[in-house]
Amino acid sequence: AQSVAQPEDQVNVAEGNPLTVKCTYSVSGNPYLFWYVQYPNRGLQFLLKYITGDNLVKGSYGFEAEFNKSQTSFHLKKPSALVSDSALYFCAVRVKGGYNFNKFYFGSGTKLNVKP
Amino acid sequence: EAQVTQNPRYLITVTGKKLTVTCSQNMNHEYMSWYRQDPGLGLRQIYYSMNVEVTDKGDVPEGYKVSRKEKRNFPLILESPSPNQTSLYFCASSFIGDRETQYFGPGTRLLVL
Repeated sequence: AQSVAQPEDQVNVAEGNPLTVKCTYSVSGNPYLFWYVQYPNRGLQFLLKYITGDNLVKGSYGFEAEFNKSQTSFHLKKPSALVSDSALYFCAVRVKGGYNFNKFYFGSGTKLNVKP
Repeated sequence: EAQVTQNPRYLITVTGKKLTVTCSQNMNHEYMSWYRQDPGLGLRQIYYSMNVEVTDKGDVPEGYKVSRKEKRNFPLILESPSPNQTSLYFCASSFIGDRETQYFGPGTRLLVL
């Protein structure tokens, strides 16, 4: 079965400090990986994706994520957090090929709190 | 403005009373999908559609139906709603060659009594 795990329900960080939101996955096959952000009372917004190539992916709003195949992880990072980054973050995966090729699997979400 | 719209945004209903949540996109996207969001479970895919008249089950399709008669519309139908379908529902769409970059609607909050 395909699954995505976000081990932290909540991450607290001070403004200006680096942030990391963790994600690990388990799929039968090669993954497409991505991150979405959800602000209060809004739908999800796409942040970034890994398809192939360079393991470090850069996305919107200064976010980046690193694909680590041996650790099956895709952690979201930002060098300097802003208060406006406070939101709910979702990691998701899609499998390349096979029966589940068109399906998406999301993690449970991590709430990021950036304090001034 | 490019957008995905859902109606209604909020709905309170009773067990067994059929309801439909509409979803419409104006971006000519082929791929459309429905998700439900529950605390601690994240988003789970209910159904998706690759194009007109092409639909398939996601991870949690039980109790739901969909149809795709037109490219822009993808309604979600609950024939006989039950309290365990109380949730926040999102519709999303994308181009078939870029399914990762899904555009999400604003959500529909459903309460089934």
